Amino acid sequence: DTAVSQTPKYLVTQMGNDKSIKCEQNLGHDTMYWYKQDSKKFLKIMFSYNNKELIINETVPNRFSPKSPDKAHLNLHINSLELGDSAVYFCASSQYGVDTQYFGPGTRLTVL
Amino acid sequence: GQQLNQSPQSMFIQEGEDVSMNCTSSSIFNTWLWYKQEPGEGPVLLIALYKAGELTSNGRLTAQFGITRKDSFLNISASIPSDVGIYFCAGPNTGNQFYFGTGTSLTVIP
Repeated sequence: DTAVSQTPKYLVTQMGNDKSIKCEQNLGHDTMYWYKQDSKKFLKIMFSYNNKELIINETVPNRFSPKSPDKAHLNLHINSLELGDSAVYFCASSQYGVDTQYFGPGTRLTVL
Repeated sequence: GQQLNQSPQSMFIQEGEDVSMNCTSSSIFNTWLWYKQEPGEGPVLLIALYKAGELTSNGRLTAQFGITRKDSFLNISASIPSDVGIYFCAGPNTGNQFYFGTGTSLTVIP
């Protein structure tokens, strides 16, 4: 069974479009995260979210918004895509804190 | 901004050799985590360290939490081809902001 899953695996789209990446975890965790990994493999946390609190990395543009329909899902919606948004986006979840995170397989976003 | 610097940036070693890498920060960290990322996959936690001076092992891997709380070290003994990947340090600083290191890419030559 996949613990943290993301769809799609690959996403190719034009500049200016709006797109969403879905994340689901079946671990019963309370906290979910989104990370961005750029072409140099540098990983940066974008959001952490649980039922009570959304913590946003202040460097993330407001074109990015997490949406959580329920505790097991945290989707990432991106408006007005730009070339610099091209990256691999990872979802993760944890129960007790960042030291117990499980990562998904990633979504490679390419903006043309 | 905060950055966790890892060295070396990349390593090419022969199978059977030992590996050492480190991670340094300009600020104090409460926890040090070491992850491995294989191609096309997300990072996987290898070792977690919670106290200054702590030394923890996981099989052939040993990691240490630096006494100054500004650095950490990871050693891999008797490397094997499946050790190939990118190793990241990570952790929350005293402001509870979470960062990943710049990564060390390891290639093991059979």
